[in-house]
Amino acid sequence: DADVTQTPRNRITKTGKRIMLECSQTKGHDRMYWYRQDPGLGLRLIYYSFDVKDINKGEISDGYSVSRQAQAKFSLSLESAIPNQTALYFCATSDYNEQFFGPGTRLTVL
Amino acid sequence: EDQVTQSPEALRLQEGESSSLNCSYTVSGLRGLFWYRQDPGKGPEFLFTLYSAGEEKEKERLKATLTKKESFLHITAPKPEDSATYLCAVQAGGYQKVTFGTGTKLQVIP
Repeated sequence: DADVTQTPRNRITKTGKRIMLECSQTKGHDRMYWYRQDPGLGLRLIYYSFDVKDINKGEISDGYSVSRQAQAKFSLSLESAIPNQTALYFCATSDYNEQFFGPGTRLTVL
Repeated sequence: EDQVTQSPEALRLQEGESSSLNCSYTVSGLRGLFWYRQDPGKGPEFLFTLYSAGEEKEKERLKATLTKKESFLHITAPKPEDSATYLCAVQAGGYQKVTFGTGTKLQVIP
């Protein structure tokens, strides 16, 4: 089984809809991250969490919110999706150094 | 602000034709430099961590090196299965924020 899993893997939604992306990990790491990847822009950090009670905004947090339900679970929500949130979303975990990524969620907002 | 610049954006090699990918960085207090491999539609896969100038790491046909301003990923006698996008990232400062470059897309032709 994969160490970092993401659901759903693909999602098509409409403008204004609320959507949640979920991430689970079995690596036992305290640190978890949400990134989005756009062609030509690379990976950009949305939110990160160092433990269940510590959540921080990344460089592009506007329009997103997160919830850390447990050490192993970190969810990303788009309260009212807009077309420029169409992207590939990745969850990652780490101990102190290298990060381990999930398989990604391809989100399309029409 | 931490910056990571990768070059070239794309590289096409014949099988067996060795080459190098470049990652130039500007960071205050480097804690670590990471190399990842990303296949289309998948999450980045960790390759190497380098911590200080002069350090080198090797894995199969890949060798990563680090100076105070840049890192190189040397690919020796590449094979078609080495085709992927290679990402460089830096970790700096007193916390765990990681800044990614936009990657080099490598294509190895049989």
